[in-house]
Amino acid sequence: AQKVTQAQTEISVVEKEDVTLDCVYETRDTTYYLFWYKQPPSGELVFLIRRNSFDEQNEISGRYSWNFQKSTSSFNFTITASQVVDSAVYFCALISGGGADGLTFGKGTHLIIQP
Amino acid sequence: DTEVTQTPKHLVMGMTNKKSLKCEQHMGHRAMYWYKQKAKKPPELMFVYSYEKLSINESVPSRFSPECPNSSLLNLHLHALQPEDSALYLCASSHPGTVNEKLFFGSGTQLSVL
Repeated sequence: AQKVTQAQTEISVVEKEDVTLDCVYETRDTTYYLFWYKQPPSGELVFLIRRNSFDEQNEISGRYSWNFQKSTSSFNFTITASQVVDSAVYFCALISGGGADGLTFGKGTHLIIQP
Repeated sequence: DTEVTQTPKHLVMGMTNKKSLKCEQHMGHRAMYWYKQKAKKPPELMFVYSYEKLSINESVPSRFSPECPNSSLLNLHLHALQPEDSALYLCASSHPGTVNEKLFFGSGTQLSVL
């Protein structure tokens, strides 16, 4: 069985603040992939990043950065200098084994960036 | 073309109606998925098609009937739905059999059952 926990239901910050979204996962497989998706009010799920279980390198993409730590089973997402357009629901997700079961999603974190 | 196109974007139907949701992709993906998402909840997997064959059916009621007529199209036929079936229905596609492939999602059909 696999599980993804996003303990923060909603986060509200003022524009230009940094914000970190937490993600903790559980899986018995040694090979797995972790994802972050963004869901703006329009509804589409927008892919942000994929990280495999053998690559613990942190990644930075513009204002976005991700911290993967297998020791704590966490894959946290930080937005630096947040902007109003970052307001959305963010989902952390896990796929493991053969991948045939699709993604297991966390419950999502609703991020509100106030101007 | 990295799009998954879903039609219609919005659908209102009565409990006795029959309607269909459509999904199309031209990325050569041979795995296609239907997810259901209730408000303020994560998407839940309903069906998976791999090479046009149904490979996963997550105990979805028979009033939802999927169909994959070819490698680019995925339909979800709806009949005798209940008000609790109102939700956002998301289609996704990927290359099957490889764990590392990301899923491409469409923008969904917002379904309201009256």
